[in-house]
Amino acid sequence: DAKTTQPPSMDCAEGRAANLPCNHSTISGNEYVYWYRQIHSQGPQYIIHGLKNNETNEMASLIITEDRKSSTLILPHATLRDTAVYYCIVRVSGAGSYQLTFGKGTKLSVIP
Amino acid sequence: GAGVSQSPSNKVTEKGKDVELRCDPISGHTALYWYRQSLGQGLEFLIYFQGNSAPDKSGLPSDRFSAERTGGSVSTLTIQRTQQEDSAVYLCASSSQGGGQETQYFGPGTRLLVL
Repeated sequence: DAKTTQPPSMDCAEGRAANLPCNHSTISGNEYVYWYRQIHSQGPQYIIHGLKNNETNEMASLIITEDRKSSTLILPHATLRDTAVYYCIVRVSGAGSYQLTFGKGTKLSVIP
Repeated sequence: GAGVSQSPSNKVTEKGKDVELRCDPISGHTALYWYRQSLGQGLEFLIYFQGNSAPDKSGLPSDRFSAERTGGSVSTLTIQRTQQEDSAVYLCASSSQGGGQETQYFGPGTRLLVL
């Protein structure tokens, strides 16, 4: 699976949009971009994933650049409960790709 | 159920004792995964179940670790003769089919402390 690069930490004011970047310059055509987060002392929580089109669900939006070398997770109105470590991973499609590997992620702190 | 559940949520044991950790996957999910996460570390894959069989046990750290799944649902991870280095959060995840691109949904984890 392709390696990802994320900033180690970010701050965001409560109520504002949080934009979390991820670089995956070596991504290949059959790799999806996944985002998970882990709130302190809890299990990882799935947020969203995409291949090349932008995606939106009730939690967040995922913007993937046209060349697919980077993406941004957007939390439109951050709350204090969104304080967590956010992991961007890329996963190849097909058999044998089930082992998730998280990097160090971005520690997002939402400030009141 | 609504999500993946794990029990116990916390377990403190003495070195050398055996422990059993339980995972209840999301209803209808055929694939189940065990990971562990040591303090400040990333995820370490342990084992993958498709139904009741485990096609990939490659992540189990030693023969003290074993896992089973019965009825295509509940899974138990057993650690025999626990060691202090076994202290970690043990996470279970499930997905609808397994083996590929399906999204994995995690439980809250069991925090194991071996004294």
